[in-house]
Amino acid sequence: DADVTQTPRNRITKTGKRIMLECSQTKGHDRMYWYRQDPGLGLRLIYYSFDVKDINKGEISDGYSVSRQAQAKFSLSLESAIPNQTALYFCATSRGTGMGEETQYFGPGTRLLVL
Amino acid sequence: AQKVTQAQTEISVVEKEDVTLDCVYETRDTTYYLFWYKQPPSGELVFLIRRNSFDEQNEISGRYSWNFQKSTSSFNFTITASQVVDSAVYFCALSGGGSSGTDKLIFGTGTRLQVFP
Repeated sequence: DADVTQTPRNRITKTGKRIMLECSQTKGHDRMYWYRQDPGLGLRLIYYSFDVKDINKGEISDGYSVSRQAQAKFSLSLESAIPNQTALYFCATSRGTGMGEETQYFGPGTRLLVL
Repeated sequence: AQKVTQAQTEISVVEKEDVTLDCVYETRDTTYYLFWYKQPPSGELVFLIRRNSFDEQNEISGRYSWNFQKSTSSFNFTITASQVVDSAVYFCALSGGGSSGTDKLIFGTGTRLQVFP
């Protein structure tokens, strides 16, 4: 079984709808991240969480919210989806020592299309 | 501010050619970490290598090799005798050291490599 899983893998929704993307991990890592990938822009950080009680905004958090339900679960919500949120979304985890050396391991991604 | 530049948007080669993907970074941290990830057509991100700023030794793993040069702030990736299965988008990324207090990754915009048979 994969260490980092994301559900759903693909989603089509309409403008204005609320949608939740879920991420689960079995790596036992404390830190979890949500990124979005747009063509030509690489990956950009949306939110990250150091532990269940610690959530931080990333580079592009507007229009998104997150919930860290447990060490192993980190959900990303789009409260009112808009077409420019169409992207590939990745969840990642790291053991996290705060020193930057920890490798981040990525889930398979969720392709989201907002019509 | 931290930044990663991958100036090559797309590279096309014929199988068995050697190819080098360039990565130039900017950071004020004295301790930092550099990464390469591969994104095959299936879409997942696969970790390839991590290098810390104190270790400038080149690394070789099979057909893959990495050249880290602090003097030019570069961390280039070479594939020797490329194969069709190497076709993917490759991302270089930078993580700050203790001064930033996080493991946040700053990604380059990626280089799409196409290897033709």
